[in-house]
Order: sequence, then C-alpha cells, then structure tokens
Amino acid sequence: AQTVTQSQPEMSVQEAETVTLSCTYDTSESNYYLFWYKQPPSRQMILVIRQEAYKQQNATENRFSVNFQKAAKSFSLKISDSQLGDTAMYFCAFILFEYSGGGADGLTFGKGTHLIIQP
Amino acid sequence: DSGVTQTPKHLITATGQRVTLRCSPRSGDLSVYWYQQSLDQGLQFLIQYYNGEERAKGNILERFSAQQFPDLHSELNLSSLELGDSALYFCASSGSVGTVSGNTIYFGEGSWLTVV
Repeated sequence: AQTVTQSQPEMSVQEAETVTLSCTYDTSESNYYLFWYKQPPSRQMILVIRQEAYKQQNATENRFSVNFQKAAKSFSLKISDSQLGDTAMYFCAFILFEYSGGGADGLTFGKGTHLIIQP
Repeated sequence: DSGVTQTPKHLITATGQRVTLRCSPRSGDLSVYWYQQSLDQGLQFLIQYYNGEERAKGNILERFSAQQFPDLHSELNLSSLELGDSALYFCASSGSVGTVSGNTIYFGEGSWLTVV
C-alpha cells in the first residue's frame, strides 16, 4: 500500500515570500503520478500541479513549482511570490499509473499542510 | 470550475435516514470516485467506478453503496445514517484508463451532509 506523509501541519509566511511545503511518499511501484491539491476555506479541492514519475523535469505552473526527487521519494511544492489567496490547506497526493484493466485505488492523500499567508 | 457537478450542495437529515448524493463527471470522463472528508480534514477514498463497473473499493461502509449509470453519472447512497457520517462528500472524475487525463482527478465542490 502507498503512503503519503506531510510533516508540516501548519506554516505561516509573509505575503510575497517564497514557501516550500514538504511531502514524502512510499511505494514499491515505479509508474505513478503525484499531485498537489489546494483546499481554500470554501473547501473546494483545486488541482495545483501534477508530476509524472517517469519525467525527470520538475513540473511548473506559474508561481508553483515542485522539486521531485524520485530516489528519495520526495515531492515538495514551492510557492513563489506568495499571495493572500494562497492561504489554504495543501494536500499532497499519489496515484498509480494504470496501463489497462486492473483495479485502482484512487488518490492516496497526505494529511495536509495548512498554509497561512500573512499580509 | 472543474466540470464535475455535485448535488445537493448541502443536506441536513436525521439519524437513521437515507440520502442520495448525485454526481455528474466532466464531459468525456469515464471514472468516478467518491471521497469522504470528515471534520479532522482527512480524505478517505470510498469507491471508484469506471464506465459503469465498480473498479476499486476503499473505506466504504456496508451502509453505503454507489453506482454509475449508462450516462456515466453516479450516485452515492448513504443509509441508516449516524452522527459520525456528517462530512463533506466529494465526487471526482478522470478520463480513460492509461492516459494522462485518466490519471488526473478533478473534484466537484462537494456535498455537505449534516446528520442531526
């Protein structure tokens, strides 16, 4: 079974600063995807960024980027020029890549990091 | 807007009752997932359907059941409700198995269930 660990329950930074959220995972599989989801106070789950395990290049989406270290099973999220609207719970998640048929267990989530951006 | 539609958005019901939550996946998506998020924030995978067939089962109680219809919408049925079933229930969808879109899961806005 896969596990995802987020070791920072809460973080607080000043607006415009850069912040890095940590995530580690454990799996014996080699083909998988990793995600970061954002859950603001509205409780909506918003996809922030996706990383395919077979890609060495780190994914980037505007101010959001990841540091994917496959050997270390580490997947951190960096938010640059943080904004007040970035205040939210951030969940790291893992899913096995499906080739065909077989079962899937959906996403395995970490317990989340509550990120607070201070004005 | 993720394209995943859930109804109702809010629901209050009494213990012992039965409710049905409905989900329409994104256009073209074949997989539907149900997740439960309780007050302690944890996200629990309940069940997945792919093109009408049950694909995987997670921590779903026997009092709960789901199905996916030919038009690909899905319903989650919760019966003999208990206070502890109060939670935010998410539906999510993804595309065809074995594709990039098949392994990216988009969430609806959730259905808030309060059992009193």
